[in-house]
Amino acid sequence: DAGVIQSPRHEVTEMGQEVTLRCKPISGHNSLFWYRQTMMRGLELLIYFNNNVPIDDSGMPEDRFSAKMPNASFSTLKIQPSEPRDSAVYFCASSTTALDTQYFGPGTRLTVL
Amino acid sequence: KQEVTQIPAALSVPEGENLVLNCSFTDSAIYNLQWFRQDPGKGLTSLLLIQSSQREQTSGRLNASLDKSSGRSTLYIAASQPGDSATYLCAVRFKGYSTLTFGKGTMLLVSP
Repeated sequence: DAGVIQSPRHEVTEMGQEVTLRCKPISGHNSLFWYRQTMMRGLELLIYFNNNVPIDDSGMPEDRFSAKMPNASFSTLKIQPSEPRDSAVYFCASSTTALDTQYFGPGTRLTVL
Repeated sequence: KQEVTQIPAALSVPEGENLVLNCSFTDSAIYNLQWFRQDPGKGLTSLLLIQSSQREQTSGRLNASLDKSSGRSTLYIAASQPGDSATYLCAVRFKGYSTLTFGKGTMLLVSP
């Protein structure tokens, strides 16, 4: 298996623009997680899905952030409008079930100017 | 509020030394605890997963222990090598939550 795939790997955009991050989980994994990592706050969970259904979105910082999982092999995290404080590395992870080992993708480094 | 703390934040050792990384958590009611490794500019790689009923797990030169009652876990690395240089993160799955709470990591540098 290719592991968790994320795209793009790097994104540079201007404040106010819409940003869409993409994730393909490992085939057969039923749980998918979106994290954000910054130097100040470390790794924070934004949202997680189980069987394509959002279970916990309490970590989503505000209404500018939204996430979807239209099928078992694809998820998106959208920021609209983007702000400089959204600059971070965004990781997607998947696991067989929510209690099992999580496998992380390589991350998307987002810079909002 | 459940929290995970890792001390020290950074550690530098010469090659060949045995070392211990520490992780503490605020609530002893946990499902499991997971240790990860993160190389610069890369994602996280799972090293060891310890279930709440276990006391330790071993993989090669790595040994992770768990003491729920004291809210502590340690990651022991034997005969360290320069290739072990990375940030090591501890993550806890507290009971009542199916998601992981991460510590901020310990940045390890092993010099040749």
